[in-house]
Amino acid sequence: EVQLVESGGGLVQPGGSLRLSCAISGFTVSNSWMHWVRQAPGKGLVWVSRISNDGSNTRYADSVKGRFTISRDNAKNTLYLQMSSLTAEDTAVYYCARWSSGAVDIWGQGTMVTVSS
Amino acid sequence: DIVMTQSPLSLPVTPGEPASISCKSSQSLLQSDGHNYLNWYLQKPGQSPQVLIYLGSNRASGVPDRFSGSGSGTDFTLKISRVEAEDVGVYYCMQGLQIPITFGQGTRLEIK
Repeated sequence: EVQLVESGGGLVQPGGSLRLSCAISGFTVSNSWMHWVRQAPGKGLVWVSRISNDGSNTRYADSVKGRFTISRDNAKNTLYLQMSSLTAEDTAVYYCARWSSGAVDIWGQGTMVTVSS
Repeated sequence: DIVMTQSPLSLPVTPGEPASISCKSSQSLLQSDGHNYLNWYLQKPGQSPQVLIYLGSNRASGVPDRFSGSGSGTDFTLKISRVEAEDVGVYYCMQGLQIPITFGQGTRLEIK
């Protein structure tokens, strides 16, 4: 079964850091480009970051550039999002997702990040 | 950045009736490979988004055939031939042509 399972979310103070993980199973991880997408409470979907299948190519939304780092460990079938200098505007559910056939086709269940003092 | 504009933002529909959602992009999504990099998603209440249509008109695996996507360039439409109660949720279009990937604002479909 194809599955993406995020973890690592929680409550963090403004200015703090957090690392999200996404455990991948059911498909060949090393063949797949992966993304992070977030959704603030009651709001729409916002793309955050993308990484190539081998990790050599990464891109970021302007809103997180310089603060977030996407990475992957194909040997461990895991995608990561290291987040730092967090602000209230980063409060959201964070989804990891697979890119295939021109679309984000598989989504995880999401992990909630709350930035608050 | 490519701006995606959906309409309507709210769509009350009687079960069994058809429904249609429009999505317009600020730039053409037609790539040189002949594909339109426009996808449709449904986010049911309390769930993650799920892909319905990819590359403009291709129904994703397991998606009922009452869902169809059409359009090219900058104008796209998602149609539901006969709405069912399980179709309730927020529908998003998404362009995958260029980074940053961008989504429409979402259209909330509700049952009358």
